Amino acid sequence: GAGVSQTPSNKVTEKGKYVELRCDPISGHTALYWYRQSLGQGPEFLIYFQGTGAADDSGLPNDRFFAVRPEGSVSTLKIQRTERGDSAVYLCASSLMLTGTGEQFFGPGTRLTVL
Amino acid sequence: LAKTTQPISMDSYEGQEVNITCSHNNIATNDYITWYQQFPSQGPRFIIQGYKTKVTNEVASLFIPADRKSSTLSLPRVSLSDTAVYYCLVGNNAGNMLTFGGGTRLMVKP
Repeated sequence: GAGVSQTPSNKVTEKGKYVELRCDPISGHTALYWYRQSLGQGPEFLIYFQGTGAADDSGLPNDRFFAVRPEGSVSTLKIQRTERGDSAVYLCASSLMLTGTGEQFFGPGTRLTVL
Repeated sequence: LAKTTQPISMDSYEGQEVNITCSHNNIATNDYITWYQQFPSQGPRFIIQGYKTKVTNEVASLFIPADRKSSTLSLPRVSLSDTAVYYCLVGNNAGNMLTFGGGTRLMVKP
C-alpha cells in the first residue's frame, strides 16, 4: 500500500504569509506525528495526534503554529505570519497506534523556505 | 526525556562491519532503544529496536549491555548505499515521544 505522503514537496513563501502543509498517513494508522528538521540537525518533535485529538503539542515553538486532524486521518500543519527561522523540512509520520517504541513511518517531508 | 549521545560521523569501506555506539545514561526502566536511518531528502526509516541483550533482523543487529546505558548498532558488510545518517532514540509508550539527537553520519567508501 501507499506510504505517508506530504504535500507540497516544496513551498516557498514570503515573510509574514500563512502556509498550510498537508500530511496523508498510512490508511488505518491512528497516530500521526509532526517533526521539523533543520539542515544538519535531527528531526525535532512538534506535535502528535491519537485519532482526532492532539495528545501532545508541547513541541510547537509558539502560537503561530497549529495543527489539526479533523477526521482522524489527514492532518494539516498551519503556520501563521511565517518568519525566516521557520524555514526547514517538515516531516510527518504515522504509526498503527500511539507509540514511543514502535515503528513510525515517515513521509518525504515538505521543504519550507521563507524569504 | 532520556538523552542520547552518538559520534557525529564515521567512515568505513565497502564490505566492512560498522558498529555505531550510542550512550543513554539516564534511560528509564520502560524505555526501548530504537535506531533509524535517514538518506538525504527522505524521511527517517526504522531499522531496529530492542530492550535488552541482542536483537537481530535482516539488516542489522543491536547489542544492549545489561546496564542498558549504551547500545551498539552493528551493520554487517556495509555497501555504498548504507551511506546515511543513523539516529539512536530512546522512548516508551507512556507519552514519551521520540527525541532525535544529531545522529551519526556514516560515509562508506569504495
